[in-house]
Amino acid sequence: AQTVTQSQPEMSVQEAETVTLSCTYDTSESDYYLFWYKQPPSRQMILVIRQEAYKQQNATENRFSVNFQKAAKSFSLKISDSQLGDAAMYFCALLSSNTGKLIFGQGTTLQVKP
Amino acid sequence: KAGVTQTPRYLIKTRGQQVTLSCSPISGHRSVSWYQQTPGQGLQFLFEYFSETQRNKGNFPGRFSGRQFSNSRSEMNVSTLELGDSALYLCASTQSSYNEQFFGPGTRLTVL
Repeated sequence: AQTVTQSQPEMSVQEAETVTLSCTYDTSESDYYLFWYKQPPSRQMILVIRQEAYKQQNATENRFSVNFQKAAKSFSLKISDSQLGDAAMYFCALLSSNTGKLIFGQGTTLQVKP
Repeated sequence: KAGVTQTPRYLIKTRGQQVTLSCSPISGHRSVSWYQQTPGQGLQFLFEYFSETQRNKGNFPGRFSGRQFSNSRSEMNVSTLELGDSALYLCASTQSSYNEQFFGPGTRLTVL
């Protein structure tokens, strides 16, 4: 079975500081995709960043970057220069290329303090 | 491009009733997936439709069903509602199964 684990239910960060959200996953497949989604209090889920498992280079999107450790099955999200608008619940997700199912972690609520 | 839309946004039903939720994907997207989100269970995959065919299914009872129309719009139906069905139901669309999914705002279902 495929699983995604986010061990930090809540995190907080000072505005302009950097924070890292952790995610580990388990899959027996070699071809898969990993995502970080953001769900603000308005509830609309938004894609933050995407990583293909076959790519060794870590994905980066502006202030968001990942640390993808394939052997360790770890996929952490780093948010640099945190902004008040970054406050949300963040979900790590695994997409199986075989099943097309998106498996989510339990989520991490990020609080940004002014 | 318009995003994924879901109707209705809020719904209140009583136990035993049935409900139908609708999802219109982004234009050109042929795959639609449904998820149930609850505080206790988190986000759980319900099913995925592609070209009017159910391609994947999660571990939900048969009371949960869905369909997809030729214009890619999708509906999900829950029959004989139970209190535990109260949740936010999210729909997501994608061009193919192996790309990022774009989510709608969700339908908040409350079962009394």
